[in-house]
Amino acid sequence: DADVTQTPRNRITKTGKRIMLECSQTKGHDRMYWYRQDPGLGLRLIYYSFDVKDINKGEISDGYSVSRQAQAKFSLSLESAIPNQTALYFCATSDLGRDSSTDTQYFGPGTRLTVL
Amino acid sequence: GEDVEQSLFLSVREGDSSVINCTYTDSSSTYLYWYKQEPGAGLQLLTYIFSNMDMKQDQRLTVLLNKKDKHLSLRIADTQTGDSAIYFCAENSGGYQKVTFGTGTKLQVIP
Repeated sequence: DADVTQTPRNRITKTGKRIMLECSQTKGHDRMYWYRQDPGLGLRLIYYSFDVKDINKGEISDGYSVSRQAQAKFSLSLESAIPNQTALYFCATSDLGRDSSTDTQYFGPGTRLTVL
Repeated sequence: GEDVEQSLFLSVREGDSSVINCTYTDSSSTYLYWYKQEPGAGLQLLTYIFSNMDMKQDQRLTVLLNKKDKHLSLRIADTQTGDSAIYFCAENSGGYQKVTFGTGTKLQVIP
């Protein structure tokens, strides 16, 4: 079974709709991240959380919000989706200082979101 | 803020060596990574190097780090079609800092 799962894997929605992307992990990691990937722009960090009580904005947080419901769950919401939020979204986890000192990130399979 | 740059595309023939380059700006980088993204999948760590090392070799992969020039490279020997993917360079200065990823280099291996 995958250690980092994302739901849904694909979603098509309309402008103005509220969308939630969910991420769950079984790795027991404290750190979780949301990225979006666009062709030619690489990965850009939206939000990150170093533990359940810690939420931080990344470089492109406008138009997004997150919720860290538990150590294992980190959801990303688009309150009012717009077409330029069409992208591939990745959740990731890491655990600096526990089983690894390298802060290796473990990625989910991605959610392809299309906003019409 | 930190910046990590890569060329977007590299094409090589099967059996040749591939060299993917990366430059970064954060002089306090402690860990530098190479991740691989295969089509339709998330990123997976390929290898990493600590900033106090110049080179790391792992089977067909060789990582070279020039800390003075802030330049990192990944060499893949005897490149195979299964190596076709997007390769991301990333860096982290440790502690409560987050990892910064490059734009990714798409490697195309021609049979």
